Amino acid sequence: GQQVMQIPQYQHVQEGEDFTTYCNSSTTLSNIQWYKQRPGGHPVFLIQLVKSGEVKKQKRLTFQFGEAKKNSSLHITATQTTDVGTYFCAGPSTGTASKLTFGTGTRLQVTL
Amino acid sequence: DSGVTQTPKHLITATGQRVTLRCSPRSGDLSVYWYQQSLDQGLQFLIQYYNGEERAKGNILERFSAQQFPDLHSELNLSSLELGDSALYFCASSLGDGGYGYTFGSGTRLTVV
Repeated sequence: GQQVMQIPQYQHVQEGEDFTTYCNSSTTLSNIQWYKQRPGGHPVFLIQLVKSGEVKKQKRLTFQFGEAKKNSSLHITATQTTDVGTYFCAGPSTGTASKLTFGTGTRLQVTL
Repeated sequence: DSGVTQTPKHLITATGQRVTLRCSPRSGDLSVYWYQQSLDQGLQFLIQYYNGEERAKGNILERFSAQQFPDLHSELNLSSLELGDSALYFCASSLGDGGYGYTFGSGTRLTVV
């Protein structure tokens, strides 16, 4: 079945440093979505990318969808303690457009 | 408040028992999805309902079942519970049959002892 892997599994940065998480799917995706889950919380939808090579920005967050639509990245510039949480990418499963397969997640810890 | 309501928030039960988790989707959303989150398995898709009909199934155990009612709320039934069923169970909803982002509820933490 479809697999979506993320690296790194965990990253610890000092406030102000940049952070990047990478997402790789075993199959081509029609779109890629990103979610953030704060500790003790639930996943919250951040953004959806649809086009090959698409880049979208949300303040300090930059999302990119690969040319082959099998990979994606999330880059955070100048991290803040409010960025702490686990970031998941998710893509539609092969054969079922509505069912999202979530990536393994990257847990971000930010310290002062 | 995301608009997706899950009850109960916490549940502690013994092995072999049966429990029912409830989810009310965000107003206007027709799809409900159930996910299981455990430490070593991440977010695992269980099942999806769209406007009362089952639309997609993941690796849902035979001991688990779900349904979506005419008012669009959904229930996930877990029976013959085992210690390994201890996890966070999330419900999510979306307007249509997939597509744009899901809205997640705050989850039900199930502990089987």
